[in-house]
Amino acid sequence: EVQLEESGGGLGQPGSSLRLSCAASGFTFGDFVMHWVRQVPGRGLEWVAGITWNSGEVGYADSVRGRFSISRDNSKNSLNLRINRLRSEDTALYYCVKEGGDLWGQGTMVTVSS
Amino acid sequence: QSALTQPASVSGSPGQSITITCTGITDDIAIHENVSWFQQHPGKVPTLMIFDVNKRPTWASTRFFGSLSGSTASLTISGLQTEDEAAYYCAFYPRATTWVFGGGTKLTVL
Repeated sequence: EVQLEESGGGLGQPGSSLRLSCAASGFTFGDFVMHWVRQVPGRGLEWVAGITWNSGEVGYADSVRGRFSISRDNSKNSLNLRINRLRSEDTALYYCVKEGGDLWGQGTMVTVSS
Repeated sequence: QSALTQPASVSGSPGQSITITCTGITDDIAIHENVSWFQQHPGKVPTLMIFDVNKRPTWASTRFFGSLSGSTASLTISGLQTEDEAAYYCAFYPRATTWVFGGGTKLTVL
């Protein structure tokens, strides 16, 4: 089955770090650009970060550049997002998304609160 | 690339047609057609409905039509059905590793 499954969300204190992961299956993961998109419940979609198939190029939204780090391990079919110096505005549902947007995971919720 | 602008809400009656606009698409011809539309029902994961301005994935109804004129992309839904009631987001890809989303439009089917 073609799917993406995120993990690693939860409650984090302001200033701390979290590492999100996304496990891909059912397609040739290493052939595609991958992205993270987040959504505050009840609000719109916000693109967060993207990475090319070989990790040669990465991109970040201005709102997260310098605190977020996207990476991937094609040998393990996994995509990662390191979130440093957590802020309350990082509270959102984080989706792992395949190039083109034709495949989304169910999302993992990050809540930042003391 | 600046954020894309969509109307906050649109509405229509069953059987009617509606159009949702998305302004702010770059005029760089080389990447001008990297526009997609997503549908999201409450509590659900977004679903791709249109890509490359006007192409439909296999699962998208032919009632969904995308177009681009100048810096404005549009999504037209014809023959409105109650199940079309959802939020719709446009997205533009100025480069492979960068997406820009519109603010979203809530479609109400009266």
